[in-house]
Amino acid sequence: KAGVTQTPRYLIKTRGQQVTLSCSPISGHRSVSWYQQTPGQGLQFLFEYFSETQRNKGNFPGRFSGRQFSNSRSEMNVSTLELGDSALYLCASSPRDGGASKNIQYFGAGTRLSVL
Amino acid sequence: AQKVTQAQTEISVVEKEDVTLDCVYETRDTTYYLFWYKQPPSGELVFLIRRNSFDEQNEISGRYSWNFQKSTSSFNFTITASQVVDSAVYFCALSGYAAGNKLTFGGGTRVLVKP
Repeated sequence: KAGVTQTPRYLIKTRGQQVTLSCSPISGHRSVSWYQQTPGQGLQFLFEYFSETQRNKGNFPGRFSGRQFSNSRSEMNVSTLELGDSALYLCASSPRDGGASKNIQYFGAGTRLSVL
Repeated sequence: AQKVTQAQTEISVVEKEDVTLDCVYETRDTTYYLFWYKQPPSGELVFLIRRNSFDEQNEISGRYSWNFQKSTSSFNFTITASQVVDSAVYFCALSGYAAGNKLTFGGGTRVLVKP
C-alpha cells in the first residue's frame, strides 16, 4: 500500500503570497490531519478532516484553511504568507475519526515551505 | 488542556549503549492515548507505539521497550544496544478521548548514536 503522499516537497514563496499544499492519504483512510513543525514551536496541530468535514481545529489564524474532497484527498491553504509561516507542514491519515480505539496516524514526508 | 514534556532535548551515545527517553504528560481526561514517533532526517514521522490509559503493561519490541507509569504520568522509551540507524528525533504524543485524532506532541528528543 502506498503511504501518505504530500506535494510539493519543497516550496519557496514571498511574503503576501498564498500557497496550497496537497495530501493524498493512504488508500481507505478517511481522516486527514495537518500539523505545522517549526524549530521554535515544535509540532502543532492545524486541523483534522473526516468525510469532507472539519472535525477539529488548532489555534491558528484564519489565514490557514483546509478542505477535504470526496476521495479523502486534502488540501491546506495559507493566504497572505508571513515569514513566520516558514515550516515543515506534515499531513497524517488514519482509517476513521478518533474514538474508543484511538487511531494510529500515519504521516507523510511533509512539504517544506520557505517564505522569503 | 493537555501537555507533553520531553525534558531531554538531545542525547548522544556511543553505539551499543542503552538510551532512555523521558516523557511526562498532563491531561484531565481519564481515557487517553499515548504514542511515540520517530522522525529520521527524511522528515516523516514513523509510528512506534500506541498505548491507552488503561493498559499499564510494559512493552518490548525488539530493541525497543516502553515503561508506562500512570502514577507518575510518564511514558518512557528505552533503546537497548543502540545502533547508528537509531539516530533521529523521537516524539512522545498524547491524544485525549474526545480529541478526535488530534495529537499533542512533546518537544522531541534528538538521539545521536556515534559509531
